[in-house]
Amino acid sequence: SQQGEEDPQALSIQEGENATMNCSYKTSINNLQWYRQNSGRGLVHLILIRSNEREKHSGRLRVTLDTSKKSSSLLITASRAADTASYFCATSSDYGQNFVFGPGTRLSVLP
Amino acid sequence: EAQVTQNPRYLITVTGKKLTVTCSQNMNHEYMSWYRQDPGLGLRQIYYSMNVEVTDKGDVPEGYKVSRKEKRNFPLILESPSPNQTSLYFCASTLSTYTGELFFGEGSRLTVL
Repeated sequence: SQQGEEDPQALSIQEGENATMNCSYKTSINNLQWYRQNSGRGLVHLILIRSNEREKHSGRLRVTLDTSKKSSSLLITASRAADTASYFCATSSDYGQNFVFGPGTRLSVLP
Repeated sequence: EAQVTQNPRYLITVTGKKLTVTCSQNMNHEYMSWYRQDPGLGLRQIYYSMNVEVTDKGDVPEGYKVSRKEKRNFPLILESPSPNQTSLYFCASTLSTYTGELFFGEGSRLTVL
């Protein structure tokens, strides 16, 4: 069963603008992670936020988690053309048994 | 260098011809998993393994088999491939699903004619 659902499916912005992607999930989680995938390549881990955390920063990335709404957002500030990629959220269940990915958001940053 | 290695990276085969996609990790990770990625569907989990000799079905296990005889290896077996198994396959591993990030292989693009 699909756990994470990203929104929007596709996003196109100008270089320098901020990009926000959202992820919703259905059941209790242990942690939520965001990954990036350049076209056809393996996914690369960006950031992990635990269920007892509300916000986390890493460089130009900011992740928030609202467990009451079962949702998370990924904000990329001052975007660059090199940020063009697909972004996925993945949830680890409450018992840490499994990772489930959403369908992803395709981000295009135009120079 | 810490890595997850998949082979082959590209394969074209015919319906019914058994094939195995190998996955190996050198990080002593306990958890390993296989995903398939199809346009518009994101990553769907096929099978996962919490440790040696412990495997479980993901969301789309039909038509696939796995084994985990050693910690480092987690092969994906297609006993009788069909065209609907044409996809991009990823293997991933992590030390802990509670605290760890998933490390992904570079992917194996499989075409079944």
